Amino acid sequence: EAGVAQSPRYKIIEKRQSVAFWCNPISGHATLYWYQQILGQGPKLLIQFQNNGVVDDSQLPKDRFSAERLKGVDSTLKIQPAKLEDSAVYLCASSFFRGLDEQFFGPGTRLTVL
Amino acid sequence: AQSVTQLDSQVPVFEEAPVELRCNYSSSVSVYLFWYVQYPNQGLQLLLKYLSGSTLVESINGFEAEFNKSQTSFHLRKPSVHISDTAEYFCAVSDNSGYALNFGKGTSLLVTP
Repeated sequence: EAGVAQSPRYKIIEKRQSVAFWCNPISGHATLYWYQQILGQGPKLLIQFQNNGVVDDSQLPKDRFSAERLKGVDSTLKIQPAKLEDSAVYLCASSFFRGLDEQFFGPGTRLTVL
Repeated sequence: AQSVTQLDSQVPVFEEAPVELRCNYSSSVSVYLFWYVQYPNQGLQLLLKYLSGSTLVESINGFEAEFNKSQTSFHLRKPSVHISDTAEYFCAVSDNSGYALNFGKGTSLLVTP
């Protein structure tokens, strides 16, 4: 069974530029999560989707971050414009259903903002 | 809201020695607790979890954790570690208000010969 796929793996941009990350969850998984992991910290949930609907985006900085999951499968996370403090690893995870199902994580995208 | 404190950022240990990675949580409601592991150059993966029932839970590779409600702890233990256990370990807590995972900062376990 294929795991959670993410691309790109690495991205370097200048501050105030835009960037987008892509995630393809495990087939059949209804719930998709985006986490931000700053160096030296644990992952922090940014947004949670159930199929193509948003369940929780309370920690998403909506003035610059946006995410969508239009067909209930793959998802994109966008930052526009990026700030220095956005440098982090962005992790995508999926689970079969919402709740306490195991979350399966992708390899992450490491973003460096200069 | 729930939060997790991992008391040790790094734990160096010799191979075949026992190890304990500490995790304390704060929450005003019923909680569910998890340990995730990240091996070098790999993604996060679930090691073990406590949802209900027996307070002692085990993983397939010899780790165990005990849910202690009175001490609000969920420490991870292994009686004899291997070099291959070298990894970053994250404790996480969730509750039934949203099921989102709140992670600790992680503990880096380094096993040396």
